[in-house]
Amino acid sequence: GENVEQHPSTLSVQEGDSAVIKCTYSDSASNYFPWYKQELGKGPQLIIDIRSNVGEKKDQRIAVTLNKTAKHFSLHITETQPEDSAVYFCAAPREGNQGGKLIFGQGTELSVKP
Amino acid sequence: ETGVTQTPRHLVMGMTNKKSLKCEQHLGHNAMYWYKQSAKKPLELMFVYSLEERVENNSVPSRFSPECPNSSHLFLHLHTLQPEDSALYLCASSQGALLGNSPLHFGNGTRLTVT
Repeated sequence: GENVEQHPSTLSVQEGDSAVIKCTYSDSASNYFPWYKQELGKGPQLIIDIRSNVGEKKDQRIAVTLNKTAKHFSLHITETQPEDSAVYFCAAPREGNQGGKLIFGQGTELSVKP
Repeated sequence: ETGVTQTPRHLVMGMTNKKSLKCEQHLGHNAMYWYKQSAKKPLELMFVYSLEERVENNSVPSRFSPECPNSSHLFLHLHTLQPEDSALYLCASSQGALLGNSPLHFGNGTRLTVT
């Protein structure tokens, strides 16, 4: 089955700096990779996702890159702001999308210091 | 407003109590999920319903009993829980469950404490 590893578990940056979170997955048949942001007291919210037919996707200050050969994908946040502070989760489908459900990484707690 | 509403937000119950968690989605989705979120652990998938039929029970103890009366509502019935069941229980919905490539929309969860 799918195994998703996420690093780092905690990340502290200064406001305005960039933040990068990386995930690796094991199932080479997987083709959908979402990222979720969870603020305190709330459920995870989808912030960006990428499918395997593209290598990069961008939405304002957030971008996701995918390397299918190496089986890893990364979340990039530029010009970080204090409101970016949250826990971020990556996910990948289990069993190559067949009867598959999303398997989540362990989460990264991002702290943006003003 | 997430489109997925969970009640109650907080619940404290004793090990001999029976309680239910409720979830309602207003997104027109046809699949609903229960996830368990414990401290320092990844989200754990518990149950999946697609078109009101349970399509997955992820080795969850029988003290957790899900119910999906229609595509908009999902319940989790709890009885004789253990202290280690204390966690945040998250409900989610999506359009399509048989393929793992649909975005999940989560509620804000029920924080459960078992005493």
